[in-house]
Parts: sequence; C-alpha cells; structure tokens
Amino acid sequence: SQQGEEDPQALSIQEGENATMNCSYKTSINNLQWYRQNSGRGLVHLILIRSNEREKHSGRLRVTLDTSKKSSSLLITASRAADTASYFCATDVNNYGQNFVFGPGTRLSVLP
Amino acid sequence: KAGVTQTPRYLIKTRGQQVTLSCSPISGHRSVSWYQQTPGQGLQFLFEYFSETQRNKGNFPGRFSGRQFSNSRSEMNVSTLELGDSALYLCASSLRGQGDGYTFGSGTRLTVV
Repeated sequence: SQQGEEDPQALSIQEGENATMNCSYKTSINNLQWYRQNSGRGLVHLILIRSNEREKHSGRLRVTLDTSKKSSSLLITASRAADTASYFCATDVNNYGQNFVFGPGTRLSVLP
Repeated sequence: KAGVTQTPRYLIKTRGQQVTLSCSPISGHRSVSWYQQTPGQGLQFLFEYFSETQRNKGNFPGRFSGRQFSNSRSEMNVSTLELGDSALYLCASSLRGQGDGYTFGSGTRLTVV
C-alpha cells in the first residue's frame, strides 16, 4: 500500500474559497513534500517541510505536519481557477531522502 | 536557468521493442530520479542516480534500466516493451538528493501498441 495517502481523492470548490487536503503516511520520515501536477504535465514542487517543523507558509499555501499522527495538511487560501490540478504528498523512505513515495493525489477543481 | 528537459515528449512503440528516454537535469544538479506514472498505479519510483552511480532502485523488473553520464544527464531504457509499460515517465533532478526538493521535467508519454 502507499506510504502517503491523500484525502480527499477529489475536491470541488468555488473560486475564493479555501481548499484543504490531507496526507497520511505510515513510517517515520525525514521530510514531506507537496507537489502540484497540471493535467498530463510534470510535477511542480510546492513546499518541503522537515520532520522537526510543524508549519510552513508559501504565499497562499500553508502546510502543517503532525509527526505524532503521521499526517500533513495543505491549505490553499483564496483559491483561483488556475489552482485546478492534482496535488500529491511525497515522503522520503530512506536516509538519502531520494526514494520518495508519492500518494495517489487529490484532484482539486476550482470552479469560476 | 533551464529546467529539467526530457526527450522525446511523446513516443509510440510496438510490443517487444526497446526504448531509450533522455533527461537533462538542471545545471549543477547531481541527483536524477525517474518515476513512472499510470492512472492505475500512480507515481512509482524507478531509480535514482547520483554522480553516475545508481543509489536507489524501486520495484521494477530488470527490463527497466538506467544510467547517468559524467555531465549528470541520464537515460532510462526499457527493453521488451509490454502494453503495461504505457505511461508518463517523469524525470526529476535535485542538487544533492538529500532532503532537497525535486524539479521535474514535463515527462515522456510512452504508448506501447
């Protein structure tokens, strides 16, 4: 089964609303990353949060990490139609931090 | 600066053939990883190269192989193609590969017929 699992699988919201996606994982991690993928394209790195961090911000993005619950959340505030994409969390599973395991993703649709 | 470049963008091959995909990382990045993305299995890790050495490998059969050159450019090869190998193959590079964020290329869409 997946190391990281995003929830929900799909989310539809109106422009201007906030979108929250969650990620749960199974084993201890060094860091967790969030990526965005527009349909059929490459992934875009959004945020990396290390295991000793609890919260990070980047523009309209806010990521939290709760290592005791093995979960992370991605909040997109004041969403725009351009935020429509799939969002993935990725966790590292070895000391090099390079064998990242991606979850199945959350498909976000922002309706105008 | 230039991003990660993958070539070709699209490829159609016949079962039993072999294929080579290319990835040029961001200048200065020494770690290159490859992922396969399919609707059914999602993103799956293939392998990672660092300084011309394979450092990590995912759970794929030996038909999938790769290499990295001294300029950090990487290639992956799939021999004896199967229909199930149809996928988007993504390459990602990072500076050191230790807790860095990845920069992904746009991918190569492989269709096996």
